[in-house]
Amino acid sequence: DVKVTQSSRYLVKRTGEKVFLECVQDMDHENMFWYRQDPGLGLRLIYFSYDVKMKEKGDIPEGYSVSREKKERFSLILESASTNQTSMYLCASSPRLAYNEQFFGPGTRLTVL
Amino acid sequence: GQQVMQIPQYQHVQEGEDFTTYCNSSTTLSNIQWYKQRPGGHPVFLIQLVKSGEVKKQKRLTFQFGEAKKNSSLHITATQTTDVGTYFCLCAGGTSYGKLTFGQGTILTVHP
Repeated sequence: DVKVTQSSRYLVKRTGEKVFLECVQDMDHENMFWYRQDPGLGLRLIYFSYDVKMKEKGDIPEGYSVSREKKERFSLILESASTNQTSMYLCASSPRLAYNEQFFGPGTRLTVL
Repeated sequence: GQQVMQIPQYQHVQEGEDFTTYCNSSTTLSNIQWYKQRPGGHPVFLIQLVKSGEVKKQKRLTFQFGEAKKNSSLHITATQTTDVGTYFCLCAGGTSYGKLTFGQGTILTVHP
């Protein structure tokens, strides 16, 4: 079974802090994604990566950056956390073809005070 | 850009009633996927539709892709309490990863 893990289920940070969210997948998938999920808005794509060191902006990249130094790991970085970044963050991975099934991690609920 | 509308936002049904959620895109899609998210869980893939007019079934679930490849529906026959959750469509337009857009989701509540 594909396993996607995220570093924390719950995280509380203060405004202005730098926040790292880590995602690891164990199925050698080429593609990895970061979404945020907010009530009534569904899942919105922040960034995705289709290869090591490659990244592309999604719909809402402002205030976020990403890093993919190894194939299995995709990190989301909030350079200076703000209260409007309080949300559920979901990581996903999928095999090579562009629109294959995505496998999601359990999510990290981030609260920024 | 690609706009996706999923309706209804909420649906309350009695156990045994049918349920349908609709997904509409402003642009022609390459394919569409459906996901289910149980309360407190993460989205889980249900199915992918690729061809115009395609219909697929999974037990009590029927998925349709419109002829113009701009809309889709998920229909559940005779709902059960295990069907509770949020159903999302994921619309894929064009060949770029940036054209992946989730619908807002339909939250299904089933009353026993």
